[in-house]
Amino acid sequence: DADVTQTPRNRITKTGKRIMLECSQTKGHDRMYWYRQDPGLGLRLIYYSFDVKDINKGEISDGYSVSRQAQAKFSLSLESAIPNQTALYFCATSDSGLTLTDTQYFGPGTRLTVL
Amino acid sequence: GDSVTQMEGPVTLSEEAFLTINCTYTATGYPSLFWYVQYPGEGLQLLLKATKADDKGSNKGFEATYRKETTSFHLEKGSVQVSDSAVYFCALSNGGTSYGKLTFGQGTILTVHP
Repeated sequence: DADVTQTPRNRITKTGKRIMLECSQTKGHDRMYWYRQDPGLGLRLIYYSFDVKDINKGEISDGYSVSRQAQAKFSLSLESAIPNQTALYFCATSDSGLTLTDTQYFGPGTRLTVL
Repeated sequence: GDSVTQMEGPVTLSEEAFLTINCTYTATGYPSLFWYVQYPGEGLQLLLKATKADDKGSNKGFEATYRKETTSFHLEKGSVQVSDSAVYFCALSNGGTSYGKLTFGQGTILTVHP
């Protein structure tokens, strides 16, 4: 079984709808991240959480919110989706972050299309 | 702030050709440097990393050397295979308020033909 899972894998929705993307991990990591990937722009950090009680904005958090329901679960919400939020979304996890070399482990991604 | 710049893609090579993907960075202090790879339809996975100047990371025939004097971390492979076709991302992790977060380059698409 995959260590980092994302649901759904694909979603098509309409402008103005509320959407939730879910991420679960079995790696036992404290840190979780949400990124979006756009062609030619690489991955950009939306939100990150260093433990259940710690939520932080990334570089592009406007229009998004998150919830850390448990150590293993981190959800991303789009309260009112708009077309420029069409992208590939990735969840990632890492260990305690005691060093700069901690590897991040990525889920398979959710492809979101907002019409 | 920190930033990573990769060479423009896409890169198209024949099997057994030599590969170089350039990566340069801007950061204060002493960041750690990474190459991640994304195979079609999958999430990113770590390919290799280096933590200090002159360190060489290597994995699966790929190598990259941390060059602080040129702020570079170029990815190389002596003989590519069709199975190396993927998107390659250079990234860095730094200290201070950015501790533990990755800053990514824009990614380079590599296609290898038989």
